Amino acid sequence: SAVISQKPSRDICQRGTSLTIQCQVDSQVTMMFWYRQQPGQSLTLIATANQGSEATYESGFVIDKFPISRPNLTFSTLTVSNMSPEDSSIYLCSVAGGADYEQYFGPGTRLTVT
Amino acid sequence: EDKVVQSPLSLVVHEGDTVTLNCSYEVTNFRSLLWYKQEKKAPTFLFMLTSSGIEKKSGRLSSILDKKELSSILNITATQTGDSAIYLCAVEPALGSQGNLIFGKGTKLSVKP
Repeated sequence: SAVISQKPSRDICQRGTSLTIQCQVDSQVTMMFWYRQQPGQSLTLIATANQGSEATYESGFVIDKFPISRPNLTFSTLTVSNMSPEDSSIYLCSVAGGADYEQYFGPGTRLTVT
Repeated sequence: EDKVVQSPLSLVVHEGDTVTLNCSYEVTNFRSLLWYKQEKKAPTFLFMLTSSGIEKKSGRLSSILDKKELSSILNITATQTGDSAIYLCAVEPALGSQGNLIFGKGTKLSVKP
């Protein structure tokens, strides 16, 4: 399986600011995904990051709030914009790979907004 | 609406016990069901199931899918304290965004020495 790293591991931010989370994979992958896990909740897909085109967002998530970049096949960023305390979550990137194209997750970024 | 329901929500056992975790789903055009173990932040992939009745096994963990009953179970035998974690079940629909995993709320397993 691919080795995935995320930066930062955690951060505490003030409301109204923005944070960019980076996801790096050690091999080229076609599909990268960004998920959110709010406290006590399960994972929810935010968007699929496509190389060379706009990200595909799930219902309830918009590009202005969560802009995504995918400059190449090994890297993606997710920005959480104009943050509020409701954005406090774990943000996870994942990639599809392996024999059955299953998804593997990065180590996650724990974001706290005060 | 597609959904995944896991039971029980939490479970406390002693080392050496065998546990069975349940996952049921309602999804339009099923593609696959996946199990993950989440200890801190990152879910760790355990199994991917696509066909009914075929058991997948890895050490003390095993899982099987029943597409007729729209469910799956994850078994852990001879549990150890290191098995303490949240176990997540996710389903991937065949329609919609590829890779859009729909997750259940998880089963929190605590294994006491």
